[in-house]
Amino acid sequence: SAVISQKPSRDICQRGTSLTIQCQVDSQVTMMFWYRQQPGQSLTLIATANQGSEATYESGFVIDKFPISRPNLTFSTLTVSNMSPEDSSIYLCSVERGAGNEQFFGPGTRLTVL
Amino acid sequence: SQQGEEDPQALSIQEGENATMNCSYKTSINNLQWYRQNSGRGLVHLILIRSNEREKHSGRLRVTLDTSKKSSSLLITASRAADTASYFCATLRDQGAQKLVFGQGTRLTINP
Repeated sequence: SAVISQKPSRDICQRGTSLTIQCQVDSQVTMMFWYRQQPGQSLTLIATANQGSEATYESGFVIDKFPISRPNLTFSTLTVSNMSPEDSSIYLCSVERGAGNEQFFGPGTRLTVL
Repeated sequence: SQQGEEDPQALSIQEGENATMNCSYKTSINNLQWYRQNSGRGLVHLILIRSNEREKHSGRLRVTLDTSKKSSSLLITASRAADTASYFCATLRDQGAQKLVFGQGTRLTINP
């Protein structure tokens, strides 16, 4: 498995502001993933972050809204920019580990936008 | 878009009973993974089953995979109140981008 931490665990933010979420892994990984889980819904992949290259965004997600950094092999950040109440969700990072392509998730960041 | 469909969407059983959740998917896969999520927290990885496997066990969990029907099931035996959670299946496709696609999940409630 993998030990993954996220900061903050939760936050309440005002409309129009931005929040940066941090994800730290206990060992080096090639790919890190960012997901969004809207209230009562399943998980949707936002983007895949590889160290040393631009993140790859999924359909419906753009870099201006969700900029991602991947400065090294154990750390990544996701910024939720110019927030609106529709951005209220749990944001989770994950990493792939092991020969079986198992993905392990961080504890999530619960974001509420007022 | 979500590849998987899970049923039932919600399941409520008595403690000690067995719980079965099903997952269907649409494209060919490399593997299928099951997760548990308690009260909107992070996901706990339960079990991974590869496309060439038909059944796997882990403690009280039993997962089956039928690639001809593009379906999987998760069986929890002798359920406990602590098993109350949402359960998600996620598939990794065997071609194209290496990303997990999640089902809608089953909300399981174990009544004491």
